[in-house]
Amino acid sequence: DTGVSQDPRHKITKRGQNVTFRCDPISEHNRLYWYRQTLGQGPEFLTYFQNEAQLEKSRLLSDRFSAERPKGSFSTLEIQRTEQGDSAMYLCASSLRGLAGTQYFGPGTRLLVL
Amino acid sequence: AQTVTQSQPEMSVQEAETVTLSCTYDTSESDYYLFWYKQPPSRQMILVIRQEAYKQQNATENRFSVNFQKAAKSFSLKISDSQLGDAAMYFCAYTGEKSGGGADGLTFGKGTHLIIQP
Repeated sequence: DTGVSQDPRHKITKRGQNVTFRCDPISEHNRLYWYRQTLGQGPEFLTYFQNEAQLEKSRLLSDRFSAERPKGSFSTLEIQRTEQGDSAMYLCASSLRGLAGTQYFGPGTRLLVL
Repeated sequence: AQTVTQSQPEMSVQEAETVTLSCTYDTSESDYYLFWYKQPPSRQMILVIRQEAYKQQNATENRFSVNFQKAAKSFSLKISDSQLGDAAMYFCAYTGEKSGGGADGLTFGKGTHLIIQP
């Protein structure tokens, strides 16, 4: 049983560059979530997929952010024209509808924008 | 909008003792779920315990139990026989089930840093 995996685990980039993160959910889970966590805070919801459909987006997800989940399997989160304020841990979680909201988290991708 | 409040930024307990972490939430929904997650330093978020709002019985998982007071919108976590491995950030989280089969992301509190004194 492999849990949620994320790649890369760490990313350092310069301001203005584009970055892309990948999340592989638990294989039978049809729901996938992205969160952002800054130092000393709890995670904040960004967006949610059910299968390949992106069903909800937070106000935190600016136009520079885009997420996809082709074929309802893995998901990617892209940040264009990164800003220093984008520095954070980006967490992915997955769930199965039958578990009524219980989400299982990956290890996260820590982004540092210089 | 739903909010989750954890009023204890840090708690300290002696090994083998019992500690209670507080959480309150605000919602107008009647059907929802509450969770406690543990995040050890530099490690991933782990589910500790979950509670369905429609269940009056408090959830228990080994040394972890909750005190769910629906009317007071309170959801505290009790850790019995504390162990060194319990040291972590603990987050209280909420999610509701929207009508039509949709789902909310989790709303988290700011966390409580739990220190275990040997």
